[in-house]
Amino acid sequence: NAGVTQTPKFHILKIGQSMTLQCTQDMNHNYMYWYRQDPGMGLKLIYYSVGAGITDKGEVPNGYNVSRSTTEDFPLRLELAAPSQTSVYFCASRTSPGLAGGDTQYFGPGTRLTVL
Amino acid sequence: GQNIDQPTEMTATEGAIVQINCTYQTSGFNGLFWYQQHAGEAPTFLSYNVLDGLEEKGRFSSFLSRSKGYSYLLLKELQMKDSASYLCAVPPSGGYQKVTFGTGTKLQVIP
Repeated sequence: NAGVTQTPKFHILKIGQSMTLQCTQDMNHNYMYWYRQDPGMGLKLIYYSVGAGITDKGEVPNGYNVSRSTTEDFPLRLELAAPSQTSVYFCASRTSPGLAGGDTQYFGPGTRLTVL
Repeated sequence: GQNIDQPTEMTATEGAIVQINCTYQTSGFNGLFWYQQHAGEAPTFLSYNVLDGLEEKGRFSSFLSRSKGYSYLLLKELQMKDSASYLCAVPPSGGYQKVTFGTGTKLQVIP
């Protein structure tokens, strides 16, 4: 198992540009998450999904969009990038709560995004 | 909503024991998570407590008191590689599928 993979690892974006951060997991997990982490800070939940076709907002959804067309993929879309979106973005997945291992979230390695 | 409070930074000596506290306020309780995050890396799962009491996993133990809204992570026989941030997380009531994190405690282990 590759676990949770994210691409790209690093990216520099210009103000006003758009881009999609990719996240894929091969563990057949229903639950997937996108977090951002600013320097020296904790993780903030952007969006999450409880299964293909179902997504919901987290704490800081403004400026982002997601889709979940398959169990494996959960891309995060940034529209009209702003300097405030400079951050490290982590994708995570977990199996359904109540199932074995459902309490463990597995994180991808992160995407370090700079908006200039 | 929920509120999580942890000390920002702690320093401890190699070989010693350190306790990292986490207090939380949440309507309803769906368990408490502890994660470890080394600088520049992704968080990794340490523990999940649902019931009161102490759970031990090797050098790491996690304690929970639901009535006090309090948890701690106990690290024994500290090693230099334990220098990391330790994140406490409590899912909100009705939002078990959502896991939101505190700001974390940065632990520095010194020789």
